[in-house]
Amino acid sequence: SQQGEEDPQALSIQEGENATMNCSYKTSINNLQWYRQNSGRGLVHLILIRSNEREKHSGRLRVTLDTSKKSSSLLITASRAADTASYFCATGPNSGYSTLTFGKGTMLLVSP
Amino acid sequence: DTGVSQNPRHKITKRGQNVTFRCDPISEHNRLYWYRQTLGQGPEFLTYFQNEAQLEKSRLLSDRFSAERPKGSFSTLEIQRTEQGDSAMYLCASSPRAGDQPQHFGDGTRLSIL
Repeated sequence: SQQGEEDPQALSIQEGENATMNCSYKTSINNLQWYRQNSGRGLVHLILIRSNEREKHSGRLRVTLDTSKKSSSLLITASRAADTASYFCATGPNSGYSTLTFGKGTMLLVSP
Repeated sequence: DTGVSQNPRHKITKRGQNVTFRCDPISEHNRLYWYRQTLGQGPEFLTYFQNEAQLEKSRLLSDRFSAERPKGSFSTLEIQRTEQGDSAMYLCASSPRAGDQPQHFGDGTRLSIL
C-alpha cells in the first residue's frame, strides 16, 4: 500500500515560477525523501529530511517537514523546463528495515 | 558509469511464460531493493536484500515471484507463469549499508504481457 499522498496530482507552470508540491503520510517515520522521475527512466534522489529536522535546502530545492501534521512540502524555485518530471515523496519507517513507501507522485510540467 | 544497471530494458512475452530480470547494483552497495511501478503510480516495494540475505518481502511478492542475490552482488527477479497484471516497470535500487541512505535507482525493465 502507498503511504504518501502527493498534492496536486499535476502542476503546470511557466519557467521562472516556483513550484510547490505537498505530501501527506499516515504512520510514524524515520525520514522522508523526495525523488524525481523523468518519463521512462528510474528515480533520482533529490533530498532527505530526517524526522527531527524541520527544513532543508539543496540548491533550488527547499523541503519542509511537519511531523505533527504528518506532512511535507517540496518547493522548487525559479523553475526550468528541465524540471519537468514526476516528483515522489517516500517515507522511511520508524523501525524495521530501510524500505521506502512511495506516494503516487506529482507530475510537474514547466513550459518555456 | 557506475550506476545501477538493469537488463533487459524492455521485455515482451506471452502470458504464461517465465521471465527473468537482472540488476547490477553500485559495486560498494550492500543493500538492494526491487520495486514494481504501474502507470500513474509510485513504486511499490517488492523485496530487499542485505548482501546475499533476503530480509524482507512484500505481500505483493506472490509465490510466482522469486528473487535471488547469490553472491551479494547482482540480483535476479524471476516471474513464473506470467499474468496480464504483471505488466509493469520493475525497478531495482541499491544503497550503502550505513544508516538511512538515499537509494540509487536503475532505469528499470518494462514488462509487457501479451
